[in-house]
Amino acid sequence: AAGVIQSPRHLIKEKRETATLKCYPIPRHDTVYWYQQGPGQDPQFLISFYEKMQSDKGSIPDRFSAQQFSDYHSELNMSSLELGDSALYFCASSLGWGRGTEAFFGQGTRLTVV
Amino acid sequence: AQTVTQSQPEMSVQEAETVTLSCTYDTSENNYYLFWYKQPPSRQMILVIRQEAYKQQNATENRFSVNFQKAAKSFSLKISDSQLGDTAMYFCAFMNNAGNMLTFGGGTRLMVKP
Repeated sequence: AAGVIQSPRHLIKEKRETATLKCYPIPRHDTVYWYQQGPGQDPQFLISFYEKMQSDKGSIPDRFSAQQFSDYHSELNMSSLELGDSALYFCASSLGWGRGTEAFFGQGTRLTVV
Repeated sequence: AQTVTQSQPEMSVQEAETVTLSCTYDTSENNYYLFWYKQPPSRQMILVIRQEAYKQQNATENRFSVNFQKAAKSFSLKISDSQLGDTAMYFCAFMNNAGNMLTFGGGTRLMVKP
């Protein structure tokens, strides 16, 4: 079965550079979530989208932006990168607004800022 | 805002024995959804089991079962016949009724010993 695809799997950037992370949800899933997981920490919710519109916002820095496109894939854009942005970034997708269906996670993008 | 608390940072269990991981949460919503996710060393997030708050019956998935106590806002995970492959971080997660945010607990690191 198709799963959530994230690209790239690994990314190394220098401070103050920009990074773009991509997420391709499971076909027919209309909700996408982004999470940031620092070393040894639990995943922190960044932002979510439903039907191509932002539905909720968590602890996402102003330097970050995200959107969901017409084909439901989502991109997380990160600018002015800082060392503290080094983390594993997860994307998850689910089906249906308010139906509480489980979120399926991608394998994550490991971002290292040097 | 919802909060999820896992009071056991680390646990260990002998292979073939049973272990219970604790989770409590705080919410003002009456309907919501609860999940346990497993994160093995590969760091991928894998759904273990889900529970809908409006269902009184505890969810069961093979060797995994939950003890859902809605009044106490408790959602523990029981793993029976523990296997070496169960070694992982386990995250308890709460999804609000709107389905647009998934909040994680701090995780419990489970080690299954041979």
